[in-house]
Amino acid sequence: SQQGEEDPQALSIQEGENATMNCSYKTSINNLQWYRQNSGRGLVHLILIRSNEREKHSGRLRVTLDTSKKSSSLLITASRAADTASYFCATLSSGSARQLTFGSGTQLTVLP
Amino acid sequence: GAGVSQSPRYKVAKRGQDVALRCDPISGHVSLFWYQQALGQGPEFLTYFQNEAQLDKSGLPSDRFFAERPEGSVSTLKIQRTQQEDSAVYLCASSLVRNEQFFGPGTRLTVL
Repeated sequence: SQQGEEDPQALSIQEGENATMNCSYKTSINNLQWYRQNSGRGLVHLILIRSNEREKHSGRLRVTLDTSKKSSSLLITASRAADTASYFCATLSSGSARQLTFGSGTQLTVLP
Repeated sequence: GAGVSQSPRYKVAKRGQDVALRCDPISGHVSLFWYQQALGQGPEFLTYFQNEAQLDKSGLPSDRFFAERPEGSVSTLKIQRTQQEDSAVYLCASSLVRNEQFFGPGTRLTVL
């Protein structure tokens, strides 16, 4: 069963606006990752934040992590129509498991 | 190759047929994962290999699902006696270290 919950499930914004997606998880983690998936395609890794980090930036992406609340957020600034995709958070547990546990995703639509 | 490849990209099977899905990981990647993604959901873990050893198969939904990686490179996911509930996208991912996973484009399986 999926561990993470993401909100909103769907988000529609105008080009140039910022998009914020949130993710919550349940267990202790080693790191949290965000992936992007275009319709009918595989997942593309966007950014990884470790459990001892609170914030990370990569280009137009900003990720925060609050381990006390077991939550993370992904901010995409100055959105573009090409950012339209589904975004998933995924956690790697702090135990011995090697697999990622994914959230249910946020469908982002950026209108030109 | 440059990335993870999967074949076939699309597979239609009649209920009760056996199917085999292939994954070619990135050369040199020790870890290989299979995930199942239902429509509108995030991927869910099926099984994990480290080289040729299947270290975790806890996500396989039934004994009709079988995976192998005999030479520690290419992997095959086999589903016997397919059922309609097996319809999903099957994603393969490989990784070098316990962090970022690189995903293939997936195989979309439709069971009629």
